[in-house]
Amino acid sequence: AQSVTQLDSHVSVSEGTPVLLRCNYSSSYSPSLFWYVQHPNKGLQLLLKYTSAATLVKGINGFEAEFKKSETSFHLTKPSAHMSDAAEYFCVVSWFGGAQKLVFGQGTRLTINP
Amino acid sequence: SQTIHQWPATLVQPVGSPLSLECTVEGTSNPNLYWYRQAAGRGLQLLFYSVGIGQISSEVPQNLSASRPQDRQFILSSKKLLLSDSGFYLCAWTPMLYPSGANVLTFGAGSRLTVL
Repeated sequence: AQSVTQLDSHVSVSEGTPVLLRCNYSSSYSPSLFWYVQHPNKGLQLLLKYTSAATLVKGINGFEAEFKKSETSFHLTKPSAHMSDAAEYFCVVSWFGGAQKLVFGQGTRLTINP
Repeated sequence: SQTIHQWPATLVQPVGSPLSLECTVEGTSNPNLYWYRQAAGRGLQLLFYSVGIGQISSEVPQNLSASRPQDRQFILSSKKLLLSDSGFYLCAWTPMLYPSGANVLTFGAGSRLTVL
């Protein structure tokens, strides 16, 4: 069965310090992986996606993620946090090209301290 | 460019009352359409998806129903709301034809439903 686990429900960092949001997945097939961001009371916005091309994926707003098959991980990072990065982040796994087979992680709430 | 509209943005309804949330997509044809629910502090749960007019698939048994009367219109309904129906409802779409494995969902802004 396919699943995705976000290892931290809440991450708090200081402005200007690095951000690490962890995601592990389980998939019997070659997955596509995504990170979405959700600001309060808003819809979800795609940050970046991995679709079996380069393992290091760059996204919007300075975020990037690295696909590590041996570790079944797809952690999201950013070198320097901004206050505007405070939001909920979702890791998503997809397979077989059917969006109905997307599985969402439970989300990680990122708090940025001044 | 494609846009997705969802309304109303917020809704407070009494238990037992009906519900209708509407979603429309512009700038594309034959989209796949989805309704998700996000309960407080939880991830997203897929409720319904549709690959065409009148074609609705339900992922979980519940008090809600969905309809697709037009190609780019997706409606979420209930005849009698329950307290447990409270949550944040998100409409989303993907193109009908896409590269294998690249299923990028584009979400609406969401509708927050509070059932009292």
